[in-house]
Amino acid sequence: GAVVSQHPSRVICKSGTSVKIECRSLDFQATTMFWYRQFPKQSLMLMATSNEGSKATYEQGVEKDKFLINHASLTLSTLTVTSAHPEDSSFYICSAPPQLLPGSGLAAYLETQYFGPGTRLLVL
Amino acid sequence: DQQVKQNSPSLSVQEGRISILNCDYTNSMFDYFLWYKKYPAEGPTFLISISSIKDKNEDGRFTVFLNKSAKHLSLHIVPSQPGDSAVYFCAASYYQGGSEKLVFGKGTKLTVNP
Repeated sequence: GAVVSQHPSRVICKSGTSVKIECRSLDFQATTMFWYRQFPKQSLMLMATSNEGSKATYEQGVEKDKFLINHASLTLSTLTVTSAHPEDSSFYICSAPPQLLPGSGLAAYLETQYFGPGTRLLVL
Repeated sequence: DQQVKQNSPSLSVQEGRISILNCDYTNSMFDYFLWYKKYPAEGPTFLISISSIKDKNEDGRFTVFLNKSAKHLSLHIVPSQPGDSAVYFCAASYYQGGSEKLVFGKGTKLTVNP
């Protein structure tokens, strides 16, 4: 089946450095990818929608200058946490719905959205 | 403001019995509901879903019930198997900004004991 990969799976960095997380769709093209963040014992929270060839759209409260998103190809989206601080330590996970034929319907779109395994970020 | 709530962080059942996982939501604009299953070190995988216009959807051992008036949905697994042990997330979708977006609950860790 379709697979979404993330790299790295975990990263430890010093406060003030930048960290790049990659999300790849391995056997399908994704014009849209979603980035989520999950703090301990909390739910997955949508941060932003990554759109191939255009600017990402960010959810309310998410700083676009801090979380830079680049969706340069149909199989790759990157999330860069700039000037990371300890409060950015979290679990970051991406998801990608495959491109479907027009008229496929809401169910098909949602049910075929594949999630990556996530990236654990620890900022010291 | 938690729009999708899973109030039980964990649930333990015996193999062969029924597992019932609950989920409550607050936003009446949600148009679709999904359950995901997540194993450690893996991303969530889609399990079963239900449209807001239905009240039940069944797929093998898994059944999801939706009570719109109560803004409540539940996932029933019967009979439960040890391989069902995982974290289950309830999610609801809504349309905004040109795309369907998902709101997740915190998850319920299900343990099925042999």
